[in-house]
Amino acid sequence: NAGVTQTPKFRVLKTGQSMTLLCAQDMNHEYMYWYRQDPGMGLRLIHYSVGEGTTAKGEVPDGYNVSRLKKQNFLLGLESAAPSQTSVYFCASSYSGFAKETQYFGPGTRLLVL
Amino acid sequence: AQSVTQLGSHVSVSEGALVLLRCNYSSSVPPYLFWYVQYPNQGLQLLLKYTTGATLVKGINGFEAEFKKSETSFHLTKPSAHMSDAAEYFCAVSTTNFGNEKLTFGTGTRLTIIP
Repeated sequence: NAGVTQTPKFRVLKTGQSMTLLCAQDMNHEYMYWYRQDPGMGLRLIHYSVGEGTTAKGEVPDGYNVSRLKKQNFLLGLESAAPSQTSVYFCASSYSGFAKETQYFGPGTRLLVL
Repeated sequence: AQSVTQLGSHVSVSEGALVLLRCNYSSSVPPYLFWYVQYPNQGLQLLLKYTTGATLVKGINGFEAEFKKSETSFHLTKPSAHMSDAAEYFCAVSTTNFGNEKLTFGTGTRLTIIP
């Protein structure tokens, strides 16, 4: 099992450009999450999904959109990138949304917006 | 609302010495508590978690943590540090608040091991 994978690993964008980050999991998990990690701020939840075809806003959703057309994939889109979106993005998944569930993380995507 | 405070953004210990990483939480309902570890250029992975039952929880790589309700703490310890323990450690809390079972992370503690 590959677990949770993310593509790309690293990307440089210019302000105003768009891009999509792809997350895939092979564990048949229902829940999937997108986080961003910034120095001194820990991980903050951007959007999450409780199942195929569903999405919901997290703590910092502005400037991002997501889609979950297939159970195993969760896409994060930036329509018009801004320097404030320079960050490391992590995707995670869990079997259910119960509070005691372990979340499994991908290796991250490092994004630099110039 | 729930929150997590990790005391010390950087901790250095000598190889073979005790590792102690501090975590305090705030929650209005009984919490579930987690420690995740992030090795350089990798994603987070679970070290250990407390859900119910025994308050002393053992995890991978010789780490353990004790849930102390009276102190609202969940400190992470390891008796003898190894060079491979150098990483960033995140404490996290979640609660059974139906419809809002989110995982809230602390700001992390970077552990450096001195040879």
